[in-house]
Formats: sequence, C-alpha cells, structure tokens
Amino acid sequence: DAGITQSPRHKVTETGTPVTLRCHQTENHRYMYWYRQDPGHGLRLIHYSYGVKDTDKGEVSDGYSVSRSKTEDFLLTLESATSSQTSVYFCAISSSGSGNTIYFGEGSWLTVV
Amino acid sequence: EDKVVQSPLSLVVHEGDTVTLNCSYEVTNFRSLLWYKQEKKAPTFLFMLTSSGIEKKSGRLSSILDKKELFSILNITATQTGDSAIYLCAVDESGGSNYKLTFGKGTLLTVNP
Repeated sequence: DAGITQSPRHKVTETGTPVTLRCHQTENHRYMYWYRQDPGHGLRLIHYSYGVKDTDKGEVSDGYSVSRSKTEDFLLTLESATSSQTSVYFCAISSSGSGNTIYFGEGSWLTVV
Repeated sequence: EDKVVQSPLSLVVHEGDTVTLNCSYEVTNFRSLLWYKQEKKAPTFLFMLTSSGIEKKSGRLSSILDKKELFSILNITATQTGDSAIYLCAVDESGGSNYKLTFGKGTLLTVNP
C-alpha cells in the first residue's frame, strides 16, 4: 500500500464552518492531489500540487483552497462548508504528473449539516 | 459532455462468468489509460496502457487498448465474489507540469455466488 494517510477519516460539520482535511505521504512523491467522489459524477479533481508551494486548480475548485508547505503534507480547506460539499474526499500521490500511476489514500468522509 | 465513458454502468453476474468492461474516450492529448478497482474505500491500481494492441495481464484480469478506435476493455475471467467492485477507467492528458487525468463514472460489478 502507498504510504498515504488522510485525517480525519470521518467528520460531521455545520454549514458555514471552515474545515481542513490533511493528507500525509511517506513516499516523497512530488505530486499530490485532492479528489472528491460523488454518485453520478465519479472522481473529480479539486486541486493538485506539483511541488512545495506549487499548486493549481482542478475542475471543481470553487469553495476550496489548498496548501503545501512540506513535501509530505497537502492540506485541503473548505473555507465555509456547504451541504453541496458533503462528499468523500480522496488524496492521491504520484512521482510525476504524467505517464505515472497515481495512488489513492483511504478517503475522508465529510458530512455538512 | 463526458470525455471518458464507461459501459455498462452496472453489471450482475454469477461466479465463474467472464465479463468485459468497456471504456471509450475522446481527448485531445492522450498519454495513457488507467484502470482502477474500487471496493469499499480507495481505488487501487490495476493497469496502465499506453500502446495500442498490447495486452496487459494480471491473473484473471486483462486489458487492451485500441488507440485508433479510442477505447479500452477490461476482461475478468472466472469471476469470483471478491471481484465485486466499481471499476474505474481514467485517461491521462497531462503534459509538463499541467496535470489532467479524467475519470469515467465507473462500472459497478456484482458477482453473485
């Protein structure tokens, strides 16, 4: 198994509160990603990082921000959680941005009430 | 319009059956196609295909890519209940530091004893 740890694994929060999900890797991979998975939509990219302090938006980035201050950690923040952000969030890593397999963490289940 | 389309969306078979899952795509800058298996939690990597006509095989699973007709198939022979999962196809169009991996919505396979 790829050395990826997500925390928290499960969280229930109220609408309007900020939430931060953490992804920690032990593989020293350059690329890290945050995806969300929803029924009927599949896996969709929120943000990704191609190095420390280097990040870019994915297809569903509105309402989310990310930070990567160390190679091993990639944080996803919901600035003000909404019910539409109830989802399963997966962190993933890869050694390069193309032509390489990406490996997923175990997921973080977030419910916004 | 979806760029990666998987079919069927769901499939129910009996143990011992052979199944074929399909993935068609329409992208501008194809780099590779990846197959993942997702049970309860994280998607796990199965195959990466880059060259047309070359079969990748792992035990009872095999996959092949047709770059001319823009599709891939995933075959599972002698299915077992443990093959029950969502199978995801993804197409990589990444280039340089620009990352773009698009997932299909998946095929839900149920193998009954």
